[in-house]
Amino acid sequence: DSGVTQTPKHLITATGQRVTLRCSPRSGDLSVYWYQQSLDQGLQFLIQYYNGEERAKGNILERFSAQQFPDLHSELNLSSLELGDSALYFCASSAHLDRKDSPLHFGNGTRLTVT
Amino acid sequence: GESVGLHLPTLSVQEGDNSIINCAYSNSASDYFIWYKQESGKGPQFIIDIRSNMDKRQGQRVTVLLNKTVKHLSLQIAATQPGDSAVYFCAENLYGGSQGNLIFGKGTKLSVKP
Repeated sequence: DSGVTQTPKHLITATGQRVTLRCSPRSGDLSVYWYQQSLDQGLQFLIQYYNGEERAKGNILERFSAQQFPDLHSELNLSSLELGDSALYFCASSAHLDRKDSPLHFGNGTRLTVT
Repeated sequence: GESVGLHLPTLSVQEGDNSIINCAYSNSASDYFIWYKQESGKGPQFIIDIRSNMDKRQGQRVTVLLNKTVKHLSLQIAATQPGDSAVYFCAENLYGGSQGNLIFGKGTKLSVKP
């Protein structure tokens, strides 16, 4: 168990809808990362937060947004959903900011299916 | 753009044998590399990492080798066990990049035959 908790585990919704994915990092970790895993693109970095502030952006669509709250949990909001957004969404956390020997610990993901 | 790739998409080994999973990377600016293991229904699990100023690093039953000349990374698993069956990803981190902005390879599926 990585200590990173993601809810829900599964989510099925229709095109055009909006969903929110939730992540609770490991106790004490201040950095939270969101990744998308799809069959054609593999694991792709979306966005990083540290102690409530956005720190880095990857291949995140404008229809997607995220935030980190004072209690350090994070939410990823996906709107105007398209079929191609169907994927596994992972949250990861780490203890430090910009320390490359501080490995990322991943949750078990939310499987999003857009119909 | 440049990305991490893998030589073998699938690897089948006998229990007790050693496994070698290979990875080619194309970005010479990467200074940190990580291997992750992903079991079915779970998130990637950190196995071992290596910085670009090292050629080899050993963990428990695992060894990572880095050859910067040919931009090649490998993961060696000694005495492979059925519990090692999973998809293995190599990932790279660019020098100066955010630690979380990892570029993952496509993955190699390791299947261990009892």
